[in-house]
Amino acid sequence: RKEVEQDPGPFNVPEGATVAFNCTYSNSASQSFFWYRQDCRKEPKLLMSVYSSGNEDGRFTAQLNRASQYISLLIRDSKLSDSATYLCVVKGRYNAGNMLTFGGGTRLMVKP
Amino acid sequence: EAGVTQFPSHSVIEKGQTVTLRCDPISGHDNLYWYRRVMGKEIKFLLHFVKESKQDESGMPNNRFLAERTGGTYSTLKVQPAELEDSGVYFCASSQVAGANEKLFFGSGTQLSVL
Repeated sequence: RKEVEQDPGPFNVPEGATVAFNCTYSNSASQSFFWYRQDCRKEPKLLMSVYSSGNEDGRFTAQLNRASQYISLLIRDSKLSDSATYLCVVKGRYNAGNMLTFGGGTRLMVKP
Repeated sequence: EAGVTQFPSHSVIEKGQTVTLRCDPISGHDNLYWYRRVMGKEIKFLLHFVKESKQDESGMPNNRFLAERTGGTYSTLKVQPAELEDSGVYFCASSQVAGANEKLFFGSGTQLSVL
C-alpha cells in the first residue's frame, strides 16, 4: 500500500466549475500536510499547507481529517490556469525523518 | 533572488556510464534535499543534507548513488554505473529552516535518461 494515495484522474471540468480532490495517508504519526501543484515538466510548487482547522486561500480550501487520515482540496470557480497535477504531501515529526512523502498526484484539466 | 538551480536540465547516457548532477540551493539555505521521480511513480526522497553533513540518506536506492555537499554550498549526485531503472527526474530542494513549518523550494529538475 502506498503511503499517500490519490486518484490519478484526470478530472476534466469546465471553467467555473468546483472540483474536489481527496487523498489518504497511512502514517498516523504524520504531522504536516501540504498540497503542491506541478505543471507539466516543471518542479512541484507549494500551493498551500493544510491545517487541522481547515484553511482557505482565495478559491482554494484545504481540509484535514486526522481521525480518518484524509486530506482534501477544493477549488472553486476553476480557471484554465488551474490545469496541473496536484500533489498531496505529508511529513512526519522532524526527529522521525524530515522528508516529504508525496502522493502520485491528481491531474486536473480545466476546459473552456 | 535566484532560486534553486540544477544542471544539467537533461542528460542522456548509456547504461554503465557515469553521470553527475549538480544542485545550487538558494543562498543561505542550510537544508538541501534530493528527490526523484521515476516513470509512473510518485516523487520519492533520496537524502537530506544539513550544511555539509548527511542528515538522512535513508532514501538512497543503492551504493551506485553518491551525494556530496562539500563546503555546505552546492551539492552533486553521482550515479556510477548508471542502470536503466535510474531514468527519471531528479529534483533538488532547499530550505532555510527545517521542521514542521519548513518551506521547501524545488529546482526545475534534471531529466535523466539511461539507454
